[in-house]
Amino acid sequence: AQSVTQLDSHVSVSEGTPVLLRCNYSSSYSPSLFWYVQHPNKGLQLLLKYTSAATLVKGINGFEAEFKKSETSFHLTKPSAHMSDAAEYFCVVGMNSGYSTLTFGKGTMLLVSP
Amino acid sequence: DADVTQTPRNRITKTGKRIMLECSQTKGHDRMYWYRQDPGLGLRLIYYSFDVKDINKGEISDGYSVSRQAQAKFSLSLESAIPNQTALYFCATSVPTGGADTQYFGPGTRLTVL
Repeated sequence: AQSVTQLDSHVSVSEGTPVLLRCNYSSSYSPSLFWYVQHPNKGLQLLLKYTSAATLVKGINGFEAEFKKSETSFHLTKPSAHMSDAAEYFCVVGMNSGYSTLTFGKGTMLLVSP
Repeated sequence: DADVTQTPRNRITKTGKRIMLECSQTKGHDRMYWYRQDPGLGLRLIYYSFDVKDINKGEISDGYSVSRQAQAKFSLSLESAIPNQTALYFCATSVPTGGADTQYFGPGTRLTVL
């Protein structure tokens, strides 16, 4: 069984300030973890993926996430927000198996103000 | 051209009508998925197919059916649409790459059932 909890439904930041989107996961097996982003009226785009290699994962557009097994967390961060980062972000978990499906969190809406 | 396409992009229909949503992909992936997205609920898996001869129910398959016509085509049908099937529907594809599959999403179909 697997599940993911995104701790904030909305996060508001000012342009140029750090971004932190929080995610906790639950998995009976060694997980793969993802962050996807959805801009308004668009499909989902992969930001980054963790399998079982380095615990700090770097993604596109300056985002990164750190896998912390002891805390069952996979928080997404960015040092400096840009207006174009305003979007909905999904934390996603899947098993490290060739035939697993993905389970999505409910999403965090990131609002960026000038 | 987009790798994963969905038609139609928008559809308004009436309660009781049969409707089909279509997904095509040029990525050459064997695995395809249908999700629905509702505000505040994230994405939930309706059906998935790991190859042309394989169809599996997801978390919320009641009221839906699918057809995998070819490697590149995966259709979702609502036999008798009801208003609570109003949602944004996404098709996705994947190929095994180690760990859980990275999924690639189409642009979505916005369905309204009156």
